[in-house]
Amino acid sequence: GQQVMQIPQYQHVQEGEDFTTYCNSSTTLSNIQWYKQRPGGHPVFLIQLVKSGEVKKQKRLTFQFGEAKKNSSLHITATQTTDVGTYFCAGPRSKLTFGKGITLSVRP
Amino acid sequence: DTGVSQDPRHKITKRGQNVTFRCDPISEHNRLYWYRQTLGQGPEFLTYFQNEAQLEKSRLLSDRFSAERPKGSFSTLEIQRTEQGDSAMYLCASSQNSGRSRFEQFFGPGTRLTVL
Repeated sequence: GQQVMQIPQYQHVQEGEDFTTYCNSSTTLSNIQWYKQRPGGHPVFLIQLVKSGEVKKQKRLTFQFGEAKKNSSLHITATQTTDVGTYFCAGPRSKLTFGKGITLSVRP
Repeated sequence: DTGVSQDPRHKITKRGQNVTFRCDPISEHNRLYWYRQTLGQGPEFLTYFQNEAQLEKSRLLSDRFSAERPKGSFSTLEIQRTEQGDSAMYLCASSQNSGRSRFEQFFGPGTRLTVL
């Protein structure tokens, strides 16, 4: 079955540093979504990417969908302590398959 | 609060007992999903409904699990003869059926189940 992989599972950065994480699918995806889950919270939708090579920005967050639609990246510029949480990629469409997520911690 | 709500938020039960969880989606959302999440893992799809029709059920879901959405509004998830391996956070989500945001899922706070 379809697998969505996120490696590594944990990353620690100093506040102000940039952060990039990747998501890889075993199959071509029609779309990919990113969610953020704060400690003790529930997943919250961040973005959906649909087109090959698509790039979307949300303030300090930049999301990209690979040309082959089998991978995606999330880049955070100048991390802040509010960026702490677990970031999941998931796809496609309604029956979402989530990756294990990457848990980001930020040292103030 | 017009978000997705779930009840109860926490449930502790003994092995072998039956439990039922409720989810109230965002009112205008046609689609409703159930997921299970354990520590260190992403949410795992269980089943989803469009209105009252159950469109898909995970092959990983044993026959001890059943979900209903009788009137196309709230949904219930029942687990019969609970096992310790059922201990997890059960998440409900809802989404629209059409429009640009139709695949964006809004999650509820979850029901944390502990089976002793």
